[in-house]
Amino acid sequence: KNQVEQSPQSLIILEGKNCTLQCNYTVSPFSNLRWYKQDTGRGPVSLTIMTFSENTKSNGRYTATLDADTKQSSLHITASQLSDSASYICVVSVSGTYKYIFGTGTRLKVLA
Amino acid sequence: DAMVIQNPRYQVTQFGKPVTLSCSQTLNHNVMYWYQQKSSQAPKLLFHYYDKDFNNEADTPDNFQSRRPNTSFCFLDIRSPGLGDAAMYLCATSRERGRITEAFFGQGTRLTVV
Repeated sequence: KNQVEQSPQSLIILEGKNCTLQCNYTVSPFSNLRWYKQDTGRGPVSLTIMTFSENTKSNGRYTATLDADTKQSSLHITASQLSDSASYICVVSVSGTYKYIFGTGTRLKVLA
Repeated sequence: DAMVIQNPRYQVTQFGKPVTLSCSQTLNHNVMYWYQQKSSQAPKLLFHYYDKDFNNEADTPDNFQSRRPNTSFCFLDIRSPGLGDAAMYLCATSRERGRITEAFFGQGTRLTVV
């Protein structure tokens, strides 16, 4: 069964600190993996996208890693800001289809 | 500039009263999706269009229907909303480019059923 699991479910950190969010997937056949940021009451916004051949992708203070062998991905946020408070969703595309498998997200709260 | 636009942002409807949510896109993508997202849950795919080809998910209730009159517009019709249909409804588009499928989401419509 195609599944995407994220951890932790929620996370609270102080402004300026770093954090790492985890994503494990059992999607096959794999096409690509995306991290989205979803602010409360808004649609998801893409942060990074990686295919199986890419190990690391950065977007400003966001760095995503992908290990296609272990089917794990992480999103590292450096020097967190209050505006980073949001849900972060890991989404895996199923190759040959137009389907996306969503994780349930990690809810991040950054405190001043 | 917004590329996937959903209207309205907030919709309140009465129990059992039909409601239509709209989505438009300026990306000329051939795939459009409708997702339902309830609080603290992952978005759940209801159906998607590949051009005019409609693809319904097996567990999407019959209460939910969709129309895509042209490439730019897609509508979600809820024939008889129940209290359980209160959720955020997300529209997304994508166009496959080789191995990469990029999905762009709208801001969502939050539906309240009273």
